[in-house]
Amino acid sequence: GENVEQHPSTLSVQEGDSAVIKCTYSDSASNYFPWYKQELGKRPQLIIDIRSNVGEKKDQRIAVTLNKTAKHFSLHITETQPEDSAVYFCAAPNFGNEKLTFGTGTRLTIIP
Amino acid sequence: NAGVTQTPKFQVLKTGQSMTLQCAQDMNHEYMSWYRQDPGMGLRLIHYSVGAGITDQGEVPNGYNVSRSTTEDFPLRLLSAAPSQTSVYFCASRLGEAKNIQYFGAGTRLSVL
Repeated sequence: GENVEQHPSTLSVQEGDSAVIKCTYSDSASNYFPWYKQELGKRPQLIIDIRSNVGEKKDQRIAVTLNKTAKHFSLHITETQPEDSAVYFCAAPNFGNEKLTFGTGTRLTIIP
Repeated sequence: NAGVTQTPKFQVLKTGQSMTLQCAQDMNHEYMSWYRQDPGMGLRLIHYSVGAGITDQGEVPNGYNVSRSTTEDFPLRLLSAAPSQTSVYFCASRLGEAKNIQYFGAGTRLSVL
């Protein structure tokens, strides 16, 4: 099955700086990579995703990059703001795209 | 649309008690899943279903049962609660295979004493 590793587990950045979270996956057949944001006490919500036929996708201050050869993908947040403070999860599909395997999460803290 | 609705929001059980966590979705999604969230361990898949009448085990299925008699409902049953099952449980649904957006319920915080 798919194994997803996520680093770092915690990350603190100064407001206005950039944050990068990286995930690696094991199944070379995986073709879809979502990122979820979970604010304190709330449910996880999808913020961006990328499919394996592209190398990068941007949505305002958020971007995701994918390196299929190295089997890793990263979340980039630029010009960070206090509301970016949350736990972020990456995920990858396995077992014929039926299941989503999640990383262990990164707690991002934006320092005002 | 209400989306994915979970009940109850909070529950305290004694060791050995049984209970059912309810999950319902009104988006006509085929795929539904149950996850548990523990500190430092992310979201781990307990059971999932790809349609009414079809269920399968995830990563941590022991101690839990599920059934899917309708498209809308996917209850999770704890047969004999143990302190190790203290966790936050999330139900999720999506239209089809993994490349579709997955929507989560608000979660159930369960404590087993």
